Amino acid sequence: GAVVSQHPSWVICKSGTSVKIECRSLDFQATTMFWYRQFPKQSLMLMATSNEGSKATYEQGVEKDKFLINHASLTLSTLTVTSAHPEDSSFYICSAGDRTNYGYTFGSGTRLTVV
Amino acid sequence: GQNIDQPTEMTATEGAIVQINCTYQTSGFNGLFWYQQHAGEAPTFLSYNVLDGLEEKGRFSSFLSRSKGYSYLLLKELQMKDSASYLCAISGGGNKLTFGTGTQLKVEL
Repeated sequence: GAVVSQHPSWVICKSGTSVKIECRSLDFQATTMFWYRQFPKQSLMLMATSNEGSKATYEQGVEKDKFLINHASLTLSTLTVTSAHPEDSSFYICSAGDRTNYGYTFGSGTRLTVV
Repeated sequence: GQNIDQPTEMTATEGAIVQINCTYQTSGFNGLFWYQQHAGEAPTFLSYNVLDGLEEKGRFSSFLSRSKGYSYLLLKELQMKDSASYLCAISGGGNKLTFGTGTQLKVEL
């Protein structure tokens, strides 16, 4: 079945630094990747949609200059949290469009803690 | 836009049946999903409904009424491992998947 590999699983960084999260589709080509953020005891909130070879589309209220998304190939999308602050601490999950699971396969998530 | 509502918490007894409701308002509809999520993990696909009616899959069933903007997930023969968050999600315009508020289910002995 379709697999999306997300790395790292967890990361701790200092306030003011940047962190890159990668999502790779291992056995299929993902023309579209969705990035979500989830705060404790809350649901997943869509941050942005990235399409291979084009600029990402950000949801209202999400700062595109802070959350940089790159989808340079059909198998790799990255999310970079720039100048991270403690309030950016969250669980970040990617989801790639594919034909298994009716169109959405999730990565395993990244727990980001900013200290 | 989309608005998806679920009860925040539910408690049920092991071996029992529980129904988790989801009501929604959406401008575009390509299907409704139910996911299970354990703390700190990614969501796991449970079911997909695009037409009205009931979809049964083992201990889990999901129902959809598009005219009423309503769905439910039915869990039978509850087990302790079913304690988790259950997320209703709508696939809408641009194939974006928007999640509801989530229902935290606690299964007790």
